[in-house]
Amino acid sequence: RKEVEQDPGPFNVPEGATVAFNCTYSNSASQSFFWYRQDCRKEPKLLMSVYSSGNEDGRFTAQLNRASQYISLLIRDSKLSDSATYLCVVKRTTDSWGKFQFGAGTQVVVTP
Amino acid sequence: DGGITQSPKYLFRKEGQNVTLSCEQNLNHDAMYWYRQDPGQGLRLIYYSQIVNDFQKGDIAEGYSVSREKKESFPLTVTSAQKNPTAFYLCASSMYIIGDEQYFGPGTRLTVT
Repeated sequence: RKEVEQDPGPFNVPEGATVAFNCTYSNSASQSFFWYRQDCRKEPKLLMSVYSSGNEDGRFTAQLNRASQYISLLIRDSKLSDSATYLCVVKRTTDSWGKFQFGAGTQVVVTP
Repeated sequence: DGGITQSPKYLFRKEGQNVTLSCEQNLNHDAMYWYRQDPGQGLRLIYYSQIVNDFQKGDIAEGYSVSREKKESFPLTVTSAQKNPTAFYLCASSMYIIGDEQYFGPGTRLTVT
């Protein structure tokens, strides 16, 4: 079983609609959680960190559920520019530092 | 401007040749990483380094080698022993702090024929 799993999609979303998707992680020792955005043939870019209490950044809302071991990302009022692959990243502490584990990504396609 | 640079952006090599990918950062980050990404797959860790002159194998280190002689630089050599080297290679760095995020360079797309 992969340590971080995501629904690959694609999630086809009309412009202006809301889309949400989850990411599950298997290692309960995971301590830090992030969402990255990756455009086609580009490097991943940090979208937001995910905090225990949940957090919001404009149209993006991230939630963490430690009991069920998943994080979620919700995008409101989708824009065409939101079309990308969203990577879930989990950081766990082994020894004295953290090792990042990446999901394979969820593709979102926003259509006019 | 602080950031991570990788060069070259595209690289073509013949099978059997070693090739070195460059990664430089001026973010004053302690930790640096190399990943490879294949189509439809997540990033896989090749090597990482916490401090100068120290590095550790990641999940897929076979056929690769690295060095960390300076804090700013973490070059990756793809050797002829790597069976399937064609991929998108990404370098990243992070502060040596639990919970801190990683920042990525623009990547090098390596094609070996």
